Amino acid sequence: DIQMTQSPSSLSASVGDRVTITCRASQIIYSNLNWYQQKPGKAPKLLIHGESSLQTGVPSRFRGSGSGTDFTLTISSLQPEDVATYFCQQSHRIPRTFGQGTKVEIK
Amino acid sequence: EVQLLESGGGLVKPGGSLRLSCAASGVSFRDAWMTWVRQAPGKGLEWVGRIKSESDGGTTDYAAPVKDRFSISRDDSKNMSFLEMNSLKIEDTAVYYCATGVPGWSFDHWGQGNLVTVSS
Repeated sequence: DIQMTQSPSSLSASVGDRVTITCRASQIIYSNLNWYQQKPGKAPKLLIHGESSLQTGVPSRFRGSGSGTDFTLTISSLQPEDVATYFCQQSHRIPRTFGQGTKVEIK
Repeated sequence: EVQLLESGGGLVKPGGSLRLSCAASGVSFRDAWMTWVRQAPGKGLEWVGRIKSESDGGTTDYAAPVKDRFSISRDDSKNMSFLEMNSLKIEDTAVYYCATGVPGWSFDHWGQGNLVTVSS
């Protein structure tokens, strides 16, 4: 199975800060990487697919980058509504696997 | 608007069985690949398995922890997918989500989640 490792596991930042979350795959997955946002008590929401394509309706402050094994989710200016847990997920091989999540809080 | 509505969760004893249903609307269900994902309390997301569309073979794939115990099926005439869970274990306790999206690519749409609790 492909292991997905996210870092950090949690972070606290101020409104307006730039936030970066990284995701590393245990083998090459090319651009087969998606990012999800999950708010407490809610279902996950797709933010970015194919490593860098923004899902319709997602604010442009979210950006995905990377390829191969190393990927990054960047929030250019953190907003209060971005408080959530973020998960990466590979769509290269079965079984699909998720990172363990990064919890983002406001300082 | 795509909507997925799960039902059928609840409390079950270890070794018992349960069937979850996922009713879809606003999507071309016949072409959809349906996926099930679970989330244990306070934990991350775990892919359970998927069923492809009939036109893509209708085959299923499962995660190792549930293989041979869980079964995913679909009824295209009712726009529904099902997750049959047998020989349930305490560690199967989780919120179960059905999801769909671009086949084999991403999970664009999710249900609201359905809690399954395995406890004696």
